Amino acid sequence: DQQVKQNSPSLSVQEGRISILNCDYTNSMFDYFLWYKKYPAEGPTFLISISSIKDKNEDGRFTVFLNKSAKHLSLHIVPSQPGDSAVYFCAGTTSGTYKYIFGTGTRLKVLA
Amino acid sequence: SQTIHQWPATLVQPVGSPLSLECTVEGTSNPNLYWYRQAAGRGLQLLFYSVGIGQISSEVPQNLSASRPQDRQFILSSKKLLLSDSGFYLCAWSVEGEGEQFFGPGTRLTVL
Repeated sequence: DQQVKQNSPSLSVQEGRISILNCDYTNSMFDYFLWYKKYPAEGPTFLISISSIKDKNEDGRFTVFLNKSAKHLSLHIVPSQPGDSAVYFCAGTTSGTYKYIFGTGTRLKVLA
Repeated sequence: SQTIHQWPATLVQPVGSPLSLECTVEGTSNPNLYWYRQAAGRGLQLLFYSVGIGQISSEVPQNLSASRPQDRQFILSSKKLLLSDSGFYLCAWSVEGEGEQFFGPGTRLTVL
């Protein structure tokens, strides 16, 4: 059972435009969500997170939106830059379980 | 500051050979530790996690095992590798089971 789904395996965006990466989850017990960025042959690096008590969290060019009723979250990158080209993973967890469940990732390509 | 090390960075092993991947964390005490695998074209699959010395939880039945002989050391092992064990293995740590996880640089394992 894939508890976290990223249905778009890839996305191409023009430099300067907005990138929107989507993530859906099925586990209603998840109360904390994270986004990671991963370059080839490297470990993922943390980008931004959101607690289920919020519906939006912003950090510079990155904003994460959470829609609990739809069990959906999205990551917005504005403006997109070529250096943002990477694979983006979303993950969900339930406080106290110590387990993070990751999606399959979306490969973002920002075109110069 | 905290640092996570993994070695080796790359490994090529024949089918049926044993495996030992090591992960160590510096700069923190009693971290939660994790092993993930990223197979080609797939997301991050949680293999094992540990909340303390000698405490290992397995997420996926397989021919891999994990051990935590010291507080900040996490080892992934196999007695006999299979072709399907090929992938990118990532170690990660977190504090108190929530908040972001921090990933190591990963080990690329190829089983021939």
